[in-house]
Amino acid sequence: DSGVTQTPKHLITATGQRVTLRCSPRSGDLSVYWYQQSLDQGLQFLIQYYNGEERAKGNILERFSAQQFPDLHSELNLSSLELGDSALYFCASSQDWGSGTGETQYFGPGTRLLVL
Amino acid sequence: AQSVAQPEDQVNVAEGNPLTVKCTYSVSGNPYLFWYVQYPNRGLQFLLKYITGDNLVKGSYGFEAEFNKSQTSFHLKKPSALVSDSALYFCAVRDSGGYQKVTFGIGTKLQVIP
Repeated sequence: DSGVTQTPKHLITATGQRVTLRCSPRSGDLSVYWYQQSLDQGLQFLIQYYNGEERAKGNILERFSAQQFPDLHSELNLSSLELGDSALYFCASSQDWGSGTGETQYFGPGTRLLVL
Repeated sequence: AQSVAQPEDQVNVAEGNPLTVKCTYSVSGNPYLFWYVQYPNRGLQFLLKYITGDNLVKGSYGFEAEFNKSQTSFHLKKPSALVSDSALYFCAVRDSGGYQKVTFGIGTKLQVIP
């Protein structure tokens, strides 16, 4: 158990809908990362937050957005869903924001999203 | 720009034999290198990392990796494979200069045959 929690574990929805994925980082970790894992694209970095502020952006679509709240939990919002958004979405956390000596990321169990 | 390559989609090895999962990287400065493992229906788990110092890094579950600067490689190794080592292995890199996000490879599926 990494200490990172994600809810829900599974999500089934229809095209055009909007969903929210939630992540709670390990106790003491200030950074939260979101990744998308699909069979054809591998593990894609979406976005990182550090202590409530956006720190880095990866291949995140404009239909997707995220935020980190004062209690450090984070939410990933996916809107106008398409079939191709079906994937595993992982959250990870680390202690620092990326300037340190190689922070280790701890991954949650993921949310499996199926868009029908 | 930084990048990481895992040239093998799948590696098959017999139980008890040594295993190697290959990784090469490209960064402009000095690299920080990581290996993660993903078991079916689970999140990624940290195995080991290289920051500086000894080129041979020891990690969890008997795995080790050797940093080779001249060949820009960071291959994952284990002297004797177990069936339970069968999983998806990810190499990751980030440049030590300034802030850079971590870049993950596409993963290598390790199959240990009983």
